[in-house]
Amino acid sequence: QKEVEQNSGPLSVPEGAIASLNCTYSDRGSQSFFWYRQYSGKSPELIMFIYSNGDKEDGRFTAQLNKASQYVSLLIRDSQPSDSATYLCAVRGAFLYSGGGADGLTFGKGTHLIIQP
Amino acid sequence: DVKVTQSSRYLVKRTGEKVFLECVQDMDHENMFWYRQDPGLGLRLIYFSYDVKMKEKGDIPEGYSVSREKKERFSLILESASTNQTSMYLCASSFPGIRGFFGPGTRLTVL
Repeated sequence: QKEVEQNSGPLSVPEGAIASLNCTYSDRGSQSFFWYRQYSGKSPELIMFIYSNGDKEDGRFTAQLNKASQYVSLLIRDSQPSDSATYLCAVRGAFLYSGGGADGLTFGKGTHLIIQP
Repeated sequence: DVKVTQSSRYLVKRTGEKVFLECVQDMDHENMFWYRQDPGLGLRLIYFSYDVKMKEKGDIPEGYSVSREKKERFSLILESASTNQTSMYLCASSFPGIRGFFGPGTRLTVL
């Protein structure tokens, strides 16, 4: 059974600081990695994805992947109160279902981030 | 913009009722998914479909069935609703290997 682990938090960070969110996964064959943001009462929205080892930057967000350690992280620079949300890590494995192609994600339970003004 | 819509935002049903949750996407995606989300348990995959009339069980299919008669529509059916099926239900769609999009969710309460 594939597992994706996240610290549930809450993680409290002062406004303007760097928020660091971490995720580990059990399936060494996992191919791609996603970070979703979910505001209370809303559905998840994709904010970052990463496929290769190293860093990927998009604005204030940086995703970091280390496949050898089975570890993926999300850094949020210059944190804003509007960044307060639950962040879900999701992993797509290398499995193939009959007929091929379907690729449901395995989600972590999410980290609740609070940015303190 | 991709749009995934769900038939209801809030639904209240009684134990034993048959419940239909509908999901429609407008981007011609092959893949469609049904998840439920519960506090402390996160998002769990119920069923998914990779083509019309094709379906595969996810991690927690018990008590649920699905139907995909048209590419754009994926229905989740609770044959006989029970209180432990009270949850937030999220539909998603995607092309294979490409980012998925979630619908707004249906909060189902079974009394």
